[in-house]
Amino acid sequence: ETGVTQTPRHLVMGMTNKKSLKCEQHLGHNAMYWYKQSAKKPLELMFVYSLEERVENNSVPSRFSPECPNSSHLFLHLHTLQPEDSALYLCASSQGELLAPYNEQFFGPGTRLTVL
Amino acid sequence: AQTVTQSQPEMSVQEAETVTLSCTYDTSESDYYLFWYKQPPSRQMILVIRQEAYKQQNATENRFSVNFQKAAKSFSLKISDSQLGDAAMYFCAYRSALWGNNDMRFGAGTRLTVKP
Repeated sequence: ETGVTQTPRHLVMGMTNKKSLKCEQHLGHNAMYWYKQSAKKPLELMFVYSLEERVENNSVPSRFSPECPNSSHLFLHLHTLQPEDSALYLCASSQGELLAPYNEQFFGPGTRLTVL
Repeated sequence: AQTVTQSQPEMSVQEAETVTLSCTYDTSESDYYLFWYKQPPSRQMILVIRQEAYKQQNATENRFSVNFQKAAKSFSLKISDSQLGDAAMYFCAYRSALWGNNDMRFGAGTRLTVKP
């Protein structure tokens, strides 16, 4: 595997289910991100991890819970979601100390989530 | 807060011709980075081109070039000799040059269709 991978690619879940999204980066980066992409809306940054520590949470509802066990893996745990949470969830990674802004973010292919 | 606006939800171009995608942004900062990302139907976002605000020279990557107008806060993308593989969603993005900055702001995107 190369680049940034995400599993599963598609997920359908009920509002009472608990599921997890997984992201893995094979680039040796030390920062990872979760984004939400809804139709006709700009990407929304959800969480940022740098050196495995969460550095930003953009007021995301507690039904989304991130986990970064090491610099290569990032999870997004989902529970009691709402239909409006249906979206494409993108993971990204970048290299650089202190989240250097000139560093390109590399994106995964995303997980298409549908909440029934 | 910085905002990024892409005023063209959809654009189309004939194969081998040139197309320009518009992007404007709002910021009070003097130093920052601007990016164009491409998201093909496979969903994996890839970086097309990057511009540092302190550089007056417009960035160029093969058939892709930008017209960066700092005073007007405009950052358009020109695609020359369009190819069928250029069909995708294109996102303009802004990131502050402040170290430790976590937030990359994206526009809502422009869907580019390439006609054979």
